[in-house]
Amino acid sequence: AQKVTQAQTEISVVEKEDVTLDCVYETRDTTYYLFWYKQPPSGELVFLIRRNSFDEQNEISGRYSWNFQKSTSSFNFTITASQVVDSAVYFCALPSLTGANNLFFGTGTRLTVIP
Amino acid sequence: ETGVTQSPTHLIKTRGQQVTLRCSSQSGHNTVSWYQQALGQGPQFIFQYYREEENGRGNFPPRFSGLQFPNYSSELNVNALELDDSALYLCASSWYRGETQYFGPGTRLLVL
Repeated sequence: AQKVTQAQTEISVVEKEDVTLDCVYETRDTTYYLFWYKQPPSGELVFLIRRNSFDEQNEISGRYSWNFQKSTSSFNFTITASQVVDSAVYFCALPSLTGANNLFFGTGTRLTVIP
Repeated sequence: ETGVTQSPTHLIKTRGQQVTLRCSSQSGHNTVSWYQQALGQGPQFIFQYYREEENGRGNFPPRFSGLQFPNYSSELNVNALELDDSALYLCASSWYRGETQYFGPGTRLLVL
């Protein structure tokens, strides 16, 4: 079965610090996608990235970057120069093996950026 | 392009009652998935609808049921509400099953 582990429950950083959120996953699939979502206090899950397991290149989008390492089953997310607006709960997710491809989520990491 | 919308935003019910939650999918999307998110947890998959047919179901009892309409909007119905049903209910749509899911703002349900 699919499993996603986000060991960091809560992280606090001071504005402008860099922060890395960890994600470790388990799957029997040889080809799969991985996702990160952001959930601000409003509750809506905001899509951040989808990464195919074939592509182990690091991805950068503005202040966000992702490090995918298939050998260690990790898909970590780094925010550079954090801002107060980055305060949210961040979820890593992995699709199921069934036709629905529903998402299995980790328990999330709550990030608080202190001004 | 209109995103995923859900109604109502908040709801209070008592144990044993029934509730219907609604979701309008993003334009061009034909797949809708529903998730339940308890406080402090990640979302849990309830079921998915693809072209008006149920396309998969998570570990939820039959009192959780759904519908998808020809315009791809969807309803989640919960009968015989229990206190543990108190949660944020999230709807997500995608242009095809297996593609990226985009979420709505959710409905916060409180069962007293």
